[in-house]
Amino acid sequence: GAVVSQHPSWVICKSGTSVKIECRSLDFQATTMFWYRQFPKQSLMLMATSNEGSKATYEQGVEKDKFLINHASLTLSTLTVTSAHPEDSSFYICSVQGNTGELFFGEGSRLTVL
Amino acid sequence: DAKTTQPPSMDCAEGRAANLPCNHSTISGNEYVYWYRQIHSQGPQYIIHGLKNNETNEMASLIITEDRKSSTLILPHATLRDTAVYYCIAGDYGNNRLAFGKGNQVVVIP
Repeated sequence: GAVVSQHPSWVICKSGTSVKIECRSLDFQATTMFWYRQFPKQSLMLMATSNEGSKATYEQGVEKDKFLINHASLTLSTLTVTSAHPEDSSFYICSVQGNTGELFFGEGSRLTVL
Repeated sequence: DAKTTQPPSMDCAEGRAANLPCNHSTISGNEYVYWYRQIHSQGPQYIIHGLKNNETNEMASLIITEDRKSSTLILPHATLRDTAVYYCIAGDYGNNRLAFGKGNQVVVIP
């Protein structure tokens, strides 16, 4: 399956700052990548679909101006949490979709906003 | 996507086969059954998927009933590292917006 890597694995930032999380597909060219958020003891929630060379598609209730997504190449998508607040503290995960519909996920990035 | 039902938790003995059930009685003909697992503080890991036939790979076996209303994921020799939340999901092939639900917290006991 595809190998997906995220960076950083964890990040702590001050309230009001912006944080960028990278998602790389190491061995698979992905025209589409997916971003999820997971709060403690809850399941994954799809935030947005990242499309290479075009705008991301956001799920209902997800603020596109707060969660900026860029997918500039077939192997890299970035999620920037702008003006982060403590309620944005969460586990952010990306994925790519394989040729038979299965999803391959990154290791996740844990964001803590102080 | 069809709704799936899993037990919220179960214990399995190390070294024994672990049989993880999943009900998906409203599954439609073109929906696959996907299994993933998530070890604590890690991203989910794809395990296996199938449509009608039983499937096996290096990680597990997937047994789908003939009426496709339920399935069982079998971990042939459970190890402590198999402790994780296991998600059974039914969805169309290529549907990336799969709903993960709460899953089944499986604990492998020495």
